[in-house]
Parts: sequence; C-alpha cells; structure tokens
Amino acid sequence: GIQVEQSPPDLILQEGANSTLRCNFSDSVNNLQWFHQNPWGQLINLFYIPSGTKQNGRLSATTVATERYSLLYISSSQTTDSGVYFCAGAQKLVFGQGTRLTINP
Amino acid sequence: KAGVTQTPRYLIKTRGQQVTLSCSPISGHRSVSWYQQTPGQGLQFLFEYFSETQRNKGNFPGRFSGRQFSNSRSEMNVSTLELGDSALYLCASSLGGAVTKQYFGPGTRLTVT
Repeated sequence: GIQVEQSPPDLILQEGANSTLRCNFSDSVNNLQWFHQNPWGQLINLFYIPSGTKQNGRLSATTVATERYSLLYISSSQTTDSGVYFCAGAQKLVFGQGTRLTINP
Repeated sequence: KAGVTQTPRYLIKTRGQQVTLSCSPISGHRSVSWYQQTPGQGLQFLFEYFSETQRNKGNFPGRFSGRQFSNSRSEMNVSTLELGDSALYLCASSLGGAVTKQYFGPGTRLTVT
C-alpha cells in the first residue's frame, strides 16, 4: 500500500517564526489533504490540494503531484498553531505519522 | 451548517463487551468514513460508507463493523472488545468519499479496561 512520510517529526519554534512541513508519498495520489489536530483531538481540514498552490491567511500549501510531495508553510507562527499536522491521501485516506509543532510565546 | 457530530464523546467499557458509536454527517454529505487513532499505530482507516453501501474497508478484524442509514447517519460497532481497541475513533463526512475533502467530527474516546 501507499506509504506517507512526514518531516520533521517534531518542531519547536518561537512565536513569529516561519516553518515548512513536508509530506512525501510513495505513489501518486489525487486527493492530498492537510489537517491540524488540536489538543482536544479535533482534526481540522486545512487544505484539499491534489496539485498546485493554495493560500489561506498565514498558511499556504503546495503539492507537486509529479514528484509525489507536498509542503505546508506556516508564516508568523502563533501559539494557537501548536498541535499535530497530518497529511493524508489515497482512496482509503492513508495518514502520515504527523509533525508535532510547538510554538513558544 | 452544523458540523459532524459524534456520540458519545467518551466511553469506558470492559473487555469482552461490545460498543456502538454514532456519527451524524454534515447535511447533504452522503459519505461517512471511520478512523481509529492510537499512539502506536497513528490514524488508520476503518471503512467508508456511501449511500448506505460500504465502499472501502481497511485492514481490521471482523469484530469491527459499520452501517449507514438512509439519512446518512452511520454507526460503527466493535464486538468482543480487547484492551488494544482503546483509541480515539473519528468519523469524517464528505460529498463524494475519501477522494473529496474530508470533514472530521470531534471523536469518541473509547477506553477498554
């Protein structure tokens, strides 16, 4: 089956910093999605991005489908950005292991 | 529009018992998918229902089953509970299934003692 790798596994930053999270797929997918899981377990869909670039406020994402990877950019981080970020894709929505982001004030 | 709702939010059961979890999708969404999240295995796909039919199934034993009703609400059942079934169970709704944007509910946290 499809394998999803996310990097880095952990990231600790100061408020105001920028960050880039990466997601690699072992095979092509046509439904790549990025999620943020808050401390209470709720998964929020940030982007549905099979290809190209999308922006939503301080967050943006780019998927290069031909090279089977996606990037999530977070600019001017805030403490509320803390949590675990997951990418997922494929017919049975395979998830990566996540990147745990901690933003310190 | 109201979001995806799941009931109950927390549940404690004993080994050998069975449990039923419920998920109500966003109005108009015909697909409901279920996922299990554990610290060791991460997020794993259980199954997907679309218009009352199971379309996809993950690699879980037959103790895990589900169904979907005509109003798109879905239930999942776990029989003969094991300690390893302790997990956060999440459901997601979407217009067209896993290949479309998924909206997740708050989850049901199941503890098996």
